[in-house]
Amino acid sequence: KQEVTQIPAALSVPEGENLVLNCSFTDSAIYNLQWFRQDPGKGLTSLLLIQSSQREQTSGRLNASLDKSSGRSTLYIAASQPGDSATYLCAVRKDAGNMLTFGGGTRLMVKP
Amino acid sequence: NAGVMQNPRHLVRRRGQEARLRCSPMKGHSHVYWYRQLPEEGLKFMVYLQKENIIDESGMPKERFSAEFPKEGPSILRIQQVVRGDSAAYFCASSPPVGNEQFFGPGTRLTVL
Repeated sequence: KQEVTQIPAALSVPEGENLVLNCSFTDSAIYNLQWFRQDPGKGLTSLLLIQSSQREQTSGRLNASLDKSSGRSTLYIAASQPGDSATYLCAVRKDAGNMLTFGGGTRLMVKP
Repeated sequence: NAGVMQNPRHLVRRRGQEARLRCSPMKGHSHVYWYRQLPEEGLKFMVYLQKENIIDESGMPKERFSAEFPKEGPSILRIQQVVRGDSAAYFCASSPPVGNEQFFGPGTRLTVL
């Protein structure tokens, strides 16, 4: 059974810092991995999707990497801003058309 | 192209009543997934449907919960005889017939009094 773990559970940084969020999964046989952002009381916004054959994806100040063999992904946020404050979730998918298995999330607070 | 729509956004029910949650997938998407987020917990898969078919319901409680995705109209998650432990945010996601990414709706927050 796939288990997804995110470390740290919470993170507080001053504005402008570069930071790394970690995600690990126990079964390396994944189809893809998605990073989401969730604001309090809101839905999920998809940030990046990495296929199992890819090593990384970039969107603006966000960069996600995937090391399938070691069961790890990182989300790198450059020059963090207060507006980045949210919970970040990673989720893995075993097969096309299959459900997502989520980690517990990292609650990020960026202080002005 | 409107995103995934869910209604109602907030639903209050008394113990023993029924709750009906609706999800309209994005245009062109024929795959629907329901997830539940209990307070202070992560999102957990409940059920995966395609038009008129339940593909995987391994995450759905065996009793009181049912889901459908008819040929016409939204997907419905139905909870009969709700209990306080059903209080949670219920999220729906959709994806296209051939594609990888799941797009999430804003969720329905169910409160059982």
